[in-house]
Amino acid sequence: AQSVAQPEDQVNVAEGNPLTVKCTYSVSGNPYLFWYVQYPNRGLQFLLKYITGDNLVKGSYGFEAEFNKSQTSFHLKKPSALVSDSALYFCAVRDEGNTGKLIFGQGTTLQVKP
Amino acid sequence: DAGVIQSPRHEVTEMGQEVTLRCKPISGHDYLFWYRQTMMRGLELLIYFNNNVPIDDSGMPEDRFSAKMPNASFSTLKIQPSEPRDSAVYFCASNLRSRQAFFGQGTRLTVV
Repeated sequence: AQSVAQPEDQVNVAEGNPLTVKCTYSVSGNPYLFWYVQYPNRGLQFLLKYITGDNLVKGSYGFEAEFNKSQTSFHLKKPSALVSDSALYFCAVRDEGNTGKLIFGQGTTLQVKP
Repeated sequence: DAGVIQSPRHEVTEMGQEVTLRCKPISGHDYLFWYRQTMMRGLELLIYFNNNVPIDDSGMPEDRFSAKMPNASFSTLKIQPSEPRDSAVYFCASNLRSRQAFFGQGTRLTVV
């Protein structure tokens, strides 16, 4: 069965420092991977996705993610964190039936301190 | 497009009452999903539709929960009777075929 794991409940980083939010996945076929961000009292917003192609995917707000097939990981990164990046981040994998159904990780709270 | 629209944004109701949550997906999208978010359980998929037809309702917690999609532009999630443990944020999302899903702002339900 497909699954996604986000091993850290919270990540703390100082403003201006690089950030990484970790995600690992388990699928039987080719992975379709996504990152979403949720700001307080808001819905989830799409950040980026990996379907095929380059292992480094660029997305919104300066975020990027690196797909690593051998490590079954899809870590979210940003070279220089902003206080406004503080939010809840979800990694997700698409269901093998290709229905658009997403299987989400438990979420990681990113706290960027000034 | 205005995105996925959910109503109401907030709902406070008494235990035992019927609650109806509403969702208008993005025009042209053929998949619609209902999710529930709580601190304890995170984000859970309740049910999803394809072309207005329910495909998988295995996430619906109990028979008290029901969902309908009478047409391509409208869906409801109903809880009858409601209980305090149903308190959560309920999200609706839609997507076109297998592309990324777009989420509504959510309905925060409080059952007292």
